Amino acid sequence: QLQLQESGPGLVKPSETLSLTCTVSGGSISSSSYYWGWVRQPPGKGLEWIATIYYTGSTYYNPSLKSRVTISADTSKNQFSLRLYSVTAADTAVYYCARHEVHLWLPVWFDPWGQGTLVTVSS
Amino acid sequence: EIVLTQSPGTLSLSPGERATLSCRASQSVTSNYLAWYQQKPGQAPRLLIYGASSRATDIPDRFSGSGSGTDFTLTISRLEPEDFAVYYCQQYGDSPRFTFGPGTKVDIQ
Repeated sequence: QLQLQESGPGLVKPSETLSLTCTVSGGSISSSSYYWGWVRQPPGKGLEWIATIYYTGSTYYNPSLKSRVTISADTSKNQFSLRLYSVTAADTAVYYCARHEVHLWLPVWFDPWGQGTLVTVSS
Repeated sequence: EIVLTQSPGTLSLSPGERATLSCRASQSVTSNYLAWYQQKPGQAPRLLIYGASSRATDIPDRFSGSGSGTDFTLTISRLEPEDFAVYYCQQYGDSPRFTFGPGTKVDIQ
């Protein structure tokens, strides 16, 4: 059974870089059948897609965050990562990694999801 | 960007009742590429429906999705105690750009 686990610092200072890693077990991120993505959820609020990556290295970003985000993958470790630069308090959220199904060569819905990790931006 | 709105914001019902949740898109969703998720407190979202009407694996048949174009509906035929949660719609017709609705909370009356 596929499992995803987020890891990284729970506290980041304003203006610094948020770095998270998603470790995938029970499946390979090198599979051509899936994409891999990040979604966040500020406390008490809704879901926001951040970024998506394919095993080929193709990346897609939410236009509202594109200037501050990098998604990458390490197939040797079966992990993919997120870096969000110049964070502010507005970036405080639970960050989820998730697998995208593929349909007609494009990423579609998210399933399954990791349990999520809370990242707080505060000095 | 396709903006999704969900209504109502909160739905107060009793176990055994029928729940009807709405998701409306700011423009037509290509090929009805719309998914629904359930999220319980402290948990990650869980996929319920994709393609507007196809149930995901192991989802009970009391959950059903319908709709097309800009108007979509998630129906829970008879609410079970474990169904009280927040429900989100997500469009992927604009892939690889994805947006979610703000959610509908189904709580116990």
